[in-house]
Amino acid sequence: GAGVSQTPSNKVTEKGKYVELRCDPISGHTALYWYRQSLGQGPEFLIYFQGTGAADDSGLPNDRFFAVRPEGSVSTLKIQRTERGDSAVYLCASSREAGTYEQYFGPGTRLTVT
Amino acid sequence: AQSVTQLGSHVSVSEGALVLLRCNYSSSVPPYLFWYVQYPNQGLQLLLKYTSAATLVKGINGFEAEFKKSETSFHLTKPSAHMSDAAEYFCAVNRDDKIIFGKGTRLHILP
Repeated sequence: GAGVSQTPSNKVTEKGKYVELRCDPISGHTALYWYRQSLGQGPEFLIYFQGTGAADDSGLPNDRFFAVRPEGSVSTLKIQRTERGDSAVYLCASSREAGTYEQYFGPGTRLTVT
Repeated sequence: AQSVTQLGSHVSVSEGALVLLRCNYSSSVPPYLFWYVQYPNQGLQLLLKYTSAATLVKGINGFEAEFKKSETSFHLTKPSAHMSDAAEYFCAVNRDDKIIFGKGTRLHILP
């Protein structure tokens, strides 16, 4: 079946602009996770959803970052007033439910802020 | 809080030689531990996971890892390296319902 998909695969934006990154999880997976991977680092947890609600958003670096999952499927990560330090690969993963730990990752969105 | 430390950001082995990637964990409770692999320009893929059943865990592509509580280690091994094993490998541990990743080890295979 289809895996986790993320769009766009690459995004270049100017400092100060707003961006949205989309994640389509595997059908039927109730848990969805966002990570950020900077160059030379491991994925860093940002937020995860169980269903429509954000169960844990402790990894969001500041209030410029926000994520939604209004219907419990597709999720959008939103970044306001982008900064050069936001440049990274943003990864999305899904699992059947939270706590099963078998997460399936998408290919990521490479965000470059100029 | 649970965390993992990967020893060596780069490891080089000759084709056919033993692969050993080191990972030590820190956890106040029995952990779940994972190894993920990331091939160039691809997403992360689960290699194997330890969930407190057998201490020797076998994964895909001939990899295995052994949970050693006395050493707080979960090292990844493969008896004979193949060129296709060249990738970035991440050790990870559960924290609440999240997975916390190490910084990764890039494995280079020498012909």
